[in-house]
Amino acid sequence: QLQLVQSGAEVKKPGASVKVSCKASGYTFKNYGMTWVRQAPGQGLEWMGWISGYSGSTRYAQKFQGRLTLTTDTSTGTAYMELRSLRSDDTAVYYCARDYSVGWPNWFDPWGQGSLVIVSS
Amino acid sequence: DIQMTQSPSSLSASVGDRVTITCQASQDITNYLNWYQQKPGKPPKLLIYDASNLETGVPSRFSGSGSGTDFTFTISSLQPEDIATYYCQQYEDLPTFGHGTKVDVK
Repeated sequence: QLQLVQSGAEVKKPGASVKVSCKASGYTFKNYGMTWVRQAPGQGLEWMGWISGYSGSTRYAQKFQGRLTLTTDTSTGTAYMELRSLRSDDTAVYYCARDYSVGWPNWFDPWGQGSLVIVSS
Repeated sequence: DIQMTQSPSSLSASVGDRVTITCQASQDITNYLNWYQQKPGKPPKLLIYDASNLETGVPSRFSGSGSGTDFTFTISSLQPEDIATYYCQQYEDLPTFGHGTKVDVK
């Protein structure tokens, strides 16, 4: 069964880091990419970055350059998203989603269930 | 960044109505345009890829068209289960989403 299962909710203080995991099953991990998207409360979707399941190459939205790191563990079929120097406006639900392409972000399906990250002092 | 202007931001329609949402790109994106449906408290779901290709398992009442900078998403006959927010997304450059269109039933 094709699915992505993400790690649980986190509460972090401003300035801290968070690392969210996304465990894939039901498909060959190396044949696809993985995209990360976030959604602040009551807001729309914001694309953050993409990683190739094949090569590990990455693309990041300019907004997150220097603060975001995407990695994968192909032995377990797990993708990770680490965001550093957290601010209150990083409070959001973070989604992983399988990306059709291993060469460039394309379209995203399916999606994980989402991981809520709350940044608060 | 390529900006995606989606309209309207919300709409209300009756069951059985034809519903149309538009998405305009700030530059030519050929057909690199996808549409998603998001129901409250759920992750998004891919409906249409490459402007007009229906994802497997998606009902045929959903369709998409367009190329270049102007795109249209249509629900031919609105059903109660279609209540959701719909987003367009381009990938000609690094992906960006439209701001979404919230669809509800009158």
